Amino acid sequence: GENVEQHPSTLSVQEGDSAVIKCTYSDSASNYFPWYKQELGKGSQLIIDIRSNVGEKKDQRIAVTLNKTAKHFSLHITETQPEDSAVYFCAASIEAAGNKLTFGGGTRVLVKP
Amino acid sequence: NAGVTQTPKFRILKIGQSMTLQCTQDMNHNYMYWYRQDPGMGLKLIYYSVGAGITDKGEVPNGYNVSRSTTEDFPLRLELAAPSQTSVYFCASNYQPQHFGDGTRLSIL
Repeated sequence: GENVEQHPSTLSVQEGDSAVIKCTYSDSASNYFPWYKQELGKGSQLIIDIRSNVGEKKDQRIAVTLNKTAKHFSLHITETQPEDSAVYFCAASIEAAGNKLTFGGGTRVLVKP
Repeated sequence: NAGVTQTPKFRILKIGQSMTLQCTQDMNHNYMYWYRQDPGMGLKLIYYSVGAGITDKGEVPNGYNVSRSTTEDFPLRLELAAPSQTSVYFCASNYQPQHFGDGTRLSIL
């Protein structure tokens, strides 16, 4: 089955700096890659997603890049703010197979004011 | 819309007890999912459903059962609670993107 590795497990950045989180996946059939943000005591919220027919996607301060050949994808957050502090999860799935998400282990991001 | 609602938010069970975790959604989504999240780990899929009357196993189904008699509800049942089932349980709905509830924190002692 699919295996998703996520690094780093913790990330501390100064407010205004950029944060980068990297994920690798094992199943070349995976074609949908969402990123979720989880705040304490809450469920996960989708912040951005990308499909395998696209190499990059951007939404304001958040961008995701995908390298299908190397089977890795990355989340980039620019101009970080204290409210960006949370746990971030990457995931992968095969869209035609029930969209069953396989999650990475998570990255705890702390933005220091 | 309330979105995805999970009850209870917290529960402590004794080994061997049974309980049902409730999940309901008011968005008329066909797809629903149950995940568990152990401390410091990512979510793992327990069961999922593609519509009323249809359920299927995920990655970690042992010790759990589900049913899907209506589009709105997708309860998860633990028949004989074990310490290894101590976790936070999340329900999600929709094919893409998945919408998550706030979770049920379950401790088994």
